[in-house]
Amino acid sequence: NAGVTQTPKFQVLKTGQSMTLQCAQDMNHNSMYWYRQDPGMGLRLIYYSASEGTTDKGEVPNGYNVSRLNKREFSLRLESAAPSQTSVYFCASTGLQGEFFGPGTRLTVL
Amino acid sequence: DAKTTQPNSMESNEEEPVHLPCNHSTISGTDYIHWYRQLPSQGPEYVIHGLTSNVNNRMASLAIAEDRKSSTLILHRATLRDAAVYYCILRAPYNQGGKLIFGQGTELSVKP
Repeated sequence: NAGVTQTPKFQVLKTGQSMTLQCAQDMNHNSMYWYRQDPGMGLRLIYYSASEGTTDKGEVPNGYNVSRLNKREFSLRLESAAPSQTSVYFCASTGLQGEFFGPGTRLTVL
Repeated sequence: DAKTTQPNSMESNEEEPVHLPCNHSTISGTDYIHWYRQLPSQGPEYVIHGLTSNVNNRMASLAIAEDRKSSTLILHRATLRDAAVYYCILRAPYNQGGKLIFGQGTELSVKP
């Protein structure tokens, strides 16, 4: 059981570039989430997917899109990166004991 | 989503008990009280959750006030590895679309 995995671990982008953050879980969980965490702050919910085929906006969805490709995978896309999107991004999935978080992707936008 | 209030920081000595308080005066009847912690440079980690009764697990205990407007996370013997930011979060049941909304949390430091 790998739990929740995220790729890449680190990424540097230039303003205006696009990229997709990948997330996968092998725990057969229905719900998956994307969060961002800025320095010294708590996590903020970007988007979530309650089940395969559904996605909904969280607290800070602007500038992002998501795809729930199948039950295992939930990707986050930045179409045109901005310096304000410099952050650490965490993916999570929900089980009976709560949410399981991935190790995070540290993204810097120059 | 109902809000929680926690102290910004707390300090403890190693091998002593730690009581981390959380106020949630606007909690609704179906909200669960969740605690997560985040070690430096890691993702959050589930600690414990409860609804009305006190809860114990191998990591910690959760004491919930009778009126549910406050709760306390208890680490029975703090270790250096317990130094982390602890988040108290209210969450509606999963089948009602409950989501975790993180606040600022309490940064716990543990002195040897």
